[in-house]
Amino acid sequence: DAGVIQSPRHEVTEMGQEVTLRCKPISGHNSLFWYRQTMMRGLELLIYFNNNVPIDDSGMPEDRFSAKMPNASFSTLKIQPSEPRDSAVYFCASTRDRVGTEAFFGQGTRLTVV
Amino acid sequence: AQSVTQLDSHVSVSEGTPVLLRCNYSSSYSPSLFWYVQHPNKGLQLLLKYTSAATLVKGINGFEAEFKKSETSFHLTKPSAHMSDAAEYFCVVSFISGGSYIPTFGRGTSLIVHP
Repeated sequence: DAGVIQSPRHEVTEMGQEVTLRCKPISGHNSLFWYRQTMMRGLELLIYFNNNVPIDDSGMPEDRFSAKMPNASFSTLKIQPSEPRDSAVYFCASTRDRVGTEAFFGQGTRLTVV
Repeated sequence: AQSVTQLDSHVSVSEGTPVLLRCNYSSSYSPSLFWYVQHPNKGLQLLLKYTSAATLVKGINGFEAEFKKSETSFHLTKPSAHMSDAAEYFCVVSFISGGSYIPTFGRGTSLIVHP
């Protein structure tokens, strides 16, 4: 398996624009997580899905953030409109829901909002 | 409540000397515990994991961690640091919620290795 695949790897956008980050989890994994990493706050869990269903989005910072998982092999995280404080590295991870199994992370998307 | 605390934000060692990165957790049951490493501008790589088998866990690149239930700790060690070990290290506890095992991260410890 190719691992968790995120795209794009880098995104530079202007304030106010819509940004869509994409994630393809590992086949057979039934939980998917979106994290945001910043110097100030470290790694924060934004939202997670189980069997394509959003379970907990309490980590989503504002209504400008939304996430979907239309099928088992694809998820998106959208920011609309984007703001400079959204600049961060966004990671997607997937797991097979069994005790003791680790999460596999994508390479991340580095978002810069200018 | 479940939580994970990394006690040091930065650890500085000389090459060839031992490394100790500290992690404590709080959990109402025996959790699964992990250490991940992140090199600059890279993704997160699993170093090792504890899953209620042996309390001393060996990982990649010579790292080890010992689970101590009485101390609720899972400290990461390496006998001799190498320059290539310089990176950010994350202690992670996996909690079950809503049918999923949720990886919860500590704030990270930056390991600095001096020549």
